Amino acid sequence: ETGVTQTPRHLVMGMTNKKSLKCEQHLGHNAMYWYKQSAKKPLELMFVYNFKEQTENNSVPSRFSPECPNSSHLFLHLHTLQPEDSALYLCASSQSPGDQPQHFGDGTRLSIL
Amino acid sequence: GESVGLHLPTLSVQEGDNSIINCAYSNSASDYFIWYKQESGKGPQFIIDIRSNMDKRQGQRVTVLLNKTVKHLSLQIAATQPGDSAVYFCAENPPPGNTGKLIFGQGTTLQVKP
Repeated sequence: ETGVTQTPRHLVMGMTNKKSLKCEQHLGHNAMYWYKQSAKKPLELMFVYNFKEQTENNSVPSRFSPECPNSSHLFLHLHTLQPEDSALYLCASSQSPGDQPQHFGDGTRLSIL
Repeated sequence: GESVGLHLPTLSVQEGDNSIINCAYSNSASDYFIWYKQESGKGPQFIIDIRSNMDKRQGQRVTVLLNKTVKHLSLQIAATQPGDSAVYFCAENPPPGNTGKLIFGQGTTLQVKP
């Protein structure tokens, strides 16, 4: 139990579908993050939220739309994805963006057909 | 077993031996470094970290060494056990340092032979 829970663990979707990934942290942290982990590539930071406000967008395509309704929940809304978007999507949290370490969930394995 | 060179995708060691995993970082102004372990089907798990004002930090069976002159980081695991089999990632926190940005390395797969 890492304190960061991601659902679903696996998701298969077509390119025209709309789906959402959910992340919930039980650590009392204020900062939350989305990362993409593709095969043979390093983890890539996508978004950073601090107290529900987006503070970093790492040039992520608009087909990925994050939402942070409160400091415990983070969503990643997906629409019109491409096959190259198939990857493991990891959520993390920390006390604040300047605090380390970041605590990771176990990810959602996303496959785009 | 020791790795040779700055980065090896896979390191295979005998159970009970010491392991050394190496990492090169890119930004000489980075002031914080961290090692994560990722087991199959799980997310990265924090192992140990070090700030740039230190050269060495020890944890339980793990030691991190920082060489700022050559921008090199290493993770040493003593008496490697089968449960240590995983992918190990280093990451650096480049300036300004308060944005939450971590730059991750490629990862090294550690295989422990019984």
